Amino acid sequence: TQLLEQSPQFLSIQEGENLTVYCNSSSVFSSLQWYRQEPGEGPVLLVTVVTGGEVKKLKRLTFQFGDARKDSSLHITAAQPGDTGLYLCAGYDKIIFGKGTRLHILP
Amino acid sequence: DVKVTQSSRYLVKRTGEKVFLECVQDMDHENMFWYRQDPGLGLRLIYFSYDVKMKEKGDIPEGYSVSREKKERFSLILESASTNQTSMYLCASRHNSAFEAFFGQGTRLTVV
Repeated sequence: TQLLEQSPQFLSIQEGENLTVYCNSSSVFSSLQWYRQEPGEGPVLLVTVVTGGEVKKLKRLTFQFGDARKDSSLHITAAQPGDTGLYLCAGYDKIIFGKGTRLHILP
Repeated sequence: DVKVTQSSRYLVKRTGEKVFLECVQDMDHENMFWYRQDPGLGLRLIYFSYDVKMKEKGDIPEGYSVSREKKERFSLILESASTNQTSMYLCASRHNSAFEAFFGQGTRLTVV
C-alpha cells in the first residue's frame, strides 16, 4: 500500500507569516496533487505536479515536487485568514490521500 | 458546471440495516471513487471503479460493496451497518486521462 505522510498535522499561525507543509512517501508517484477542503464540502484541486523538481505557483502558494517524485511541499507566503482550511496531498492513480494539514490563520 | 451529487447530506441508520449511498456525476467521467473521512485518519479509499461494471477494492473495503450499472452512478452499499461505519462518506469522479477529481459534498452517516 502506498502511503503519504503529511506534516504538520495542525498549524496555527498569525496573518502575514510564511509556512510550509510537507508531503512525504517511500513510494514514487507519477504525480502528486494538492487539494483544499472547506468544512462541509468535498476537497477541491489546487494543483497537480508531474515532473520531478517541478515548481508551480498559485498566487501566494508555491508547490514543489521532489526530484525523486516521492515528496512534495506547499509553501504559503504572507498567510491570510482566507487560507484557513484542510490541505491534502494525494498520489495518482487511485488517488491515495495523506491525512491532511489543518491550517488556521489568525487575524 | 461540473457536478457530483450525493443523495443525502445527513443520514441516520440503525445497526444491522442495509444502507445505500448514491453518487451521480454529470460529466461522463469513467472513473469514480468512494472514500470515508474520519478525524485524524484522513480520507481512506473504500472502492473505486474505472468504468461501468468495473470495481476495485481500495484500502478499506471490508463491510462495504459497490455497484456501477450505469456510467453516471456509483453506489456504496453497507450490507449490515455497524457503529464503526459512522463517518463522512465522499464520492469523487474523474475523466480517464485527467488528474483532477471532482468531489461531492459528502454524506454524514450516523449508525446508532
